[in-house]
Amino acid sequence: GAVVSQHPSWVICKSGTSVKIECRSLDFQATTMFWYRQFPKQSLMLMATSNEGSKATYEQGVEKDKFLINHASLTLSTLTVTSAHPEDSSFYICSARWRDRSEAFFGQGTRLTVV
Amino acid sequence: AQKITQTQPGMFVQEKEAVTLDCTYDTSDQSYGLFWYKQPSSGEMIFLIYQGSYDEQNATEGRYSLNFQKARKSANLVISASQLGDSAMYFCAMRDNFNKFYFGSGTKLNVKP
Repeated sequence: GAVVSQHPSWVICKSGTSVKIECRSLDFQATTMFWYRQFPKQSLMLMATSNEGSKATYEQGVEKDKFLINHASLTLSTLTVTSAHPEDSSFYICSARWRDRSEAFFGQGTRLTVV
Repeated sequence: AQKITQTQPGMFVQEKEAVTLDCTYDTSDQSYGLFWYKQPSSGEMIFLIYQGSYDEQNATEGRYSLNFQKARKSANLVISASQLGDSAMYFCAMRDNFNKFYFGSGTKLNVKP
């Protein structure tokens, strides 16, 4: 299957600082990238979708100014958690797909802990 | 709104036996895709199988098969000959007309030796 690389796999940061998470599609050009948040023992909650050449579309209830998403190129998307607080601690996971494939491929996920 | 329902929070199966994980969905879209993903304790999401809404035959991928009943809006995953390595969380997902993916709450499968 296609490879999606997410970095870092875990990060600990101080409250009030910003954290950037990268998601790269290594062997294909991702026309669409998705960002999810997953709380322990719960399902994946879609945060936002970014399509090639356009701004990210955020799901209802997700703060655009807090979770900045940049689909910089067809192979890179970044999620920046700004002014992080302990309640932002979670598992964040990205996925990517391209036009000709039905499925989306996922990164390894990033476990964010805000202290 | 799209909704995916997995009613089995946890399932046990004996090694080498088959197990069915339930999934029902609710959508008004005519065209959609149904997926199953496996999430081991390490956290990554592993794609298992895909079924298109217009596919007439049930999808199969090795030991995985998808029992697609469109009229009932169900897309159950069948794992044959369970292995210890199959122990994980399993998520049913649907891709809608806008290419967004929605996930069920998951089923934790434990394979007993």
